[in-house]
Amino acid sequence: QSALTQPASVSGSPGQSITISCTGTSSDVGSYNLVSWYQQHPGEAPKFIIYEGTKRPSGVSNRFSGSKSGNTASLTISGLQAEDEADYYCCSYAGGGNCVFGGGTKLTVL
Amino acid sequence: EVQLVESGGGLVQPGGSLRLSCVASGFTFSSYGMNWVRQAPGKGLEWLSYISSSSGTKHYADPVKGRFTISRDNAKNSLYLQMNSLTDEDTALYYCARDYSYTYDVWGQGIMVTVSS
Repeated sequence: QSALTQPASVSGSPGQSITISCTGTSSDVGSYNLVSWYQQHPGEAPKFIIYEGTKRPSGVSNRFSGSKSGNTASLTISGLQAEDEADYYCCSYAGGGNCVFGGGTKLTVL
Repeated sequence: EVQLVESGGGLVQPGGSLRLSCVASGFTFSSYGMNWVRQAPGKGLEWLSYISSSSGTKHYADPVKGRFTISRDNAKNSLYLQMNSLTDEDTALYYCARDYSYTYDVWGQGIMVTVSS
């Protein structure tokens, strides 16, 4: 199973909005509404911020939102803040118990 | 507080074996599927294995199939990963993670495994 494709890096200024794409295939992202997103600060464990494509767990800021179109899922962060600077990973169920991660995107807040 | 704590990592020679453990607290461990996920130094996340709440279903990623074995002991609130035939490509930080609808909603702090001669 190939990794999902994410941009290596994105950047934005405080207050702006950014979007991170996550491109898969018709066998993973395109087939299931089971894409999740994770935020990882340096030296810390990942934290889930979006599940089932668009749902936000309690305690996660509503500045984070998820969407999907075809084989591509997206994470949008609005009102960018300094603490949003982190690595972000998508993951899609791909059948047979497999969850395929993206390569990760480093978000820099300028 | 919901918590997962891994242990059992360390330095092992190529071809060797290691058994990782993950102890859960703060939730009903026996009600949840569990996973192992790893992260090589400076690299991204890689799902390795899943086990259902009753141990009736197990899944493995291709790179570890036939070498790694996932298991659990619900009486001890513990998850395990037996790793055999280790290579330098297995060097990574290993996380246990709770499963929620194919989302990993609770993560341990990770335990480092280094494969080197």
